[in-house]
Amino acid sequence: SQQGEEDPQALSIQEGENATMNCSYKTSINNLQWYRQNSGRGLVHLILIRSNEREKHSGRLRVTLDTSKKSSSLLITASRAADTASYFCATVSNAGGTSYGKLTFGQGTILTVHP
Amino acid sequence: DAGITQSPRHKVTETGTPVTLRCHQTENHRYMYWYRQDPGHGLRLIHYSYGVKDTDKGEVSDGYSVSRSKTEDFLLTLESATSSQTSVYFCAISAQNEQFFGPGTRLTVL
Repeated sequence: SQQGEEDPQALSIQEGENATMNCSYKTSINNLQWYRQNSGRGLVHLILIRSNEREKHSGRLRVTLDTSKKSSSLLITASRAADTASYFCATVSNAGGTSYGKLTFGQGTILTVHP
Repeated sequence: DAGITQSPRHKVTETGTPVTLRCHQTENHRYMYWYRQDPGHGLRLIHYSYGVKDTDKGEVSDGYSVSRSKTEDFLLTLESATSSQTSVYFCAISAQNEQFFGPGTRLTVL
């Protein structure tokens, strides 16, 4: 079963607008990560937030984490057409011993940014 | 770029045939992973490795086996391919808590 569930499944916006994607998960986590995938390509790591962090920034990206609600959000500010891609959240569990860095992915949000 | 390559990049095969996919890394990373990606399911972990000859099952391991005889290579084998194994397969390595992905292999089982 998928640990992370993402909302919305698809998002269409105009260049310059902000894009917000949400992720919910089910079990206790060590960290949560966001990845981007351009069509037909492999995933690229965007940002990692640890379970004891509440907010993190990287350039135009802002990630929040609410462990009490088991949810995270990714905000992309001032979006560009080049931001068009699928975005996935992924969690590393802290249950059951060594995680070996295993990620459990959500189903992703397809973001389309229109020029 | 974490120096990850996958081969082949595309393969079409018939039901019942064995298939082996190769993942090769050049930077001596300990942890390696195989995922499959299907519409509506995101990425799902098939098997992973935490060292040479050390492997374990992931979420969707039925019908798949893996081997890692040296650090740089992680092989995924479909013993007898089925149409349900038509998918895009990604290999990944872990470094500093991040995973770096290969370009993927698109496998079609007819």
